[in-house]
Amino acid sequence: NAGVTQTPKFQVLKTGQSMTLQCAQDMNHNSMYWYRQDPGMGLRLIYYSASEGTTDKGEVPNGYNVSRLNKREFSLRLESAAPSQTSVYFCASSLNRAGETQYFGPGTRLLVL
Amino acid sequence: KQEVTQIPAALSVPEGENLVLNCSFTDSAIYNLQWFRQDPGKGLTSLLLIQSSQREQTSGRLNASLDKSSGRSTLYIAASQPGDSATYLCAVDSGNTPLVFGKGTRLSVIA
Repeated sequence: NAGVTQTPKFQVLKTGQSMTLQCAQDMNHNSMYWYRQDPGMGLRLIYYSASEGTTDKGEVPNGYNVSRLNKREFSLRLESAAPSQTSVYFCASSLNRAGETQYFGPGTRLLVL
Repeated sequence: KQEVTQIPAALSVPEGENLVLNCSFTDSAIYNLQWFRQDPGKGLTSLLLIQSSQREQTSGRLNASLDKSSGRSTLYIAASQPGDSATYLCAVDSGNTPLVFGKGTRLSVIA
């Protein structure tokens, strides 16, 4: 039982390049989330998917897109990376959207030059 | 808009001391409150979840309390150990919006 897995662990991009961060969970959870964590800013929600087939914007969605590929997988895409997107990205999942513990992946460290 | 504040931002204590971490929130209409631990370079690990109808939850040396009316929660750590050194975050679930996190308290327990 791996819980929440994320790939890659670390990535360096040049400004303007695109990439997709992958996330998968094996706990049969309905809801999945993408956060970014920056020094002094705390953890901020980018997008979430309350259930398979739905996605909603969080606090900081600009510059990102998401796809809930199936119940297990939720990807985050940066179409044209900017230095302001240098951050640590965390994926999380929970059984349902409200009232449940969230389980976090190990994070992806992204550096945009 | 829900705002979550954690004070202090950092705390250093000698091993064996009992300590309290504080979390306050602005909107008392919450579903639950969660405490997480984050080790350097790692993801978050859930410690305790307190439902809005509960006053406290305990797990081992950890005890979390919730006072909804005053918008406060505390995490009590008994007999602290160097292995407790980490950042502790609280997060509020208001039901109709996803979790709102505080910025965390960085705890160092000195042997």
